[in-house]
Amino acid sequence: SQQGEEDPQALSIQEGENATMNCSYKTSINNLQWYRQNSGRGLVHLILIRSNEREKHSGRLRVTLDTSKKSSSLLITASRAADTASYFCATPETSGSRLTFGEGTQLTVNP
Amino acid sequence: DAGVTQSPTHLIKTRGQHVTLRCSPISGHKSVSWYQQVLGQGPQFIFQYYEKEERGRGNFPDRFSARQFPNYSSELNVNALLLGDSALYLCASSQGTAWSAAFFGQGTRLTVV
Repeated sequence: SQQGEEDPQALSIQEGENATMNCSYKTSINNLQWYRQNSGRGLVHLILIRSNEREKHSGRLRVTLDTSKKSSSLLITASRAADTASYFCATPETSGSRLTFGEGTQLTVNP
Repeated sequence: DAGVTQSPTHLIKTRGQHVTLRCSPISGHKSVSWYQQVLGQGPQFIFQYYEKEERGRGNFPDRFSARQFPNYSSELNVNALLLGDSALYLCASSQGTAWSAAFFGQGTRLTVV
């Protein structure tokens, strides 16, 4: 079953603008992770936020987590053309054996 | 330090054939997981191995199997290939469970014709 669902499915913005992607999940989590994937290549881990954290920053990335709403958001500030990629949220199962990914948000940053 | 390496990068097989995909984790990582990613979708979990033992299996048929070697490298085997097995196969390594960040290889693009 699909644990995470990203919204929107696709987002197109201009360089310098901010990009916000949302993720919803269904069950209790230990943490939530965001990954980036460039055009059919491997995924790159961006940031991990634990269930007892509400907000986390890493460079131009800001992640929030609302466990009461079972949702998370990823904000990329001052976007660049190089940020063009698919972004996925992922949650680990309680057993820790697997990550369950959403369908992803395709972000296009136009120069 | 080398990241996660996968081989081959691309592969074309015929229906009914068998395929073996290989993965070397980051040095010091004992957990290897395999994911299948069909075009336009998120990765789907296939297997996790930790310390050479299977710790998790996704909803895939028995045609899919895997193993982990003493050096923590891993193989994913798929028998009796179907057209629907065409996908990007991703290997991820981590220090332990999926609760920690996973580091992915570049994947193997499998095309079944």
